[in-house]
Amino acid sequence: EPEVTQTPSHQVTQMGQEVILRCVPISNHLYFYWYRQILGQKVEFLVSFYNNEISEKSEIFDDQFSVERPDGSNFTLKIRSTKLEDSAMYFCASRKTSGGTDTQYFGPGTRLTVL
Amino acid sequence: ELKVEQNPLFLSMQEGKNYTIYCNYSTTSDRLYWYRQDPGKSLESLFVLLSNGAVKQEGRLMASLDTKARLSTLHITAAVHDLSATYFCAVDKNGVPNTGNQFYFGTGTSLTVIP
Repeated sequence: EPEVTQTPSHQVTQMGQEVILRCVPISNHLYFYWYRQILGQKVEFLVSFYNNEISEKSEIFDDQFSVERPDGSNFTLKIRSTKLEDSAMYFCASRKTSGGTDTQYFGPGTRLTVL
Repeated sequence: ELKVEQNPLFLSMQEGKNYTIYCNYSTTSDRLYWYRQDPGKSLESLFVLLSNGAVKQEGRLMASLDTKARLSTLHITAAVHDLSATYFCAVDKNGVPNTGNQFYFGTGTSLTVIP
């Protein structure tokens, strides 16, 4: 069964460094998302992406964050200058259409630790 | 902002017992999703509920949706240890087509089934 994949599974970085989290959504899906989950808390929306542009973003997704779909398969989240509070699990998700019977399928996550 | 609340936050129950998890949300929506998350893992889709009165069942879990009350329930029948996990409901913001429709997640219910 097709699945969303993410790399790396765990990323440790120093505060102020740039990180890029990578995702390969399910191949025939059109909508892509990034969410984050701080340890023990709920899942929070960061950004959605459709037709090669951001369709929605949350207040969390400030100028330090950017997303890109550099080719036909990868979907990346870049954090330009990481802060301690960026430490969280980051989930990529994809969805075939924008509604109806489709759910969002989540990847295994990247655990980001900022020291 | 759309708010999604679950209760209880923590649930400890004995094997063989029944219980219900509640998910309330603050705005009109007829699309509600349930996910399961095991510790350190991603979110696994359980149910997709798309209309008022929708009921879905899978094994010992049954989910329902009352859009008028803005309430979804996840009922557990004759719990077994394997059901121990955190359960999240998520609401799809009804909006303009092709805008991505982010999910708003509930606070999560951490379920522990005791032998």
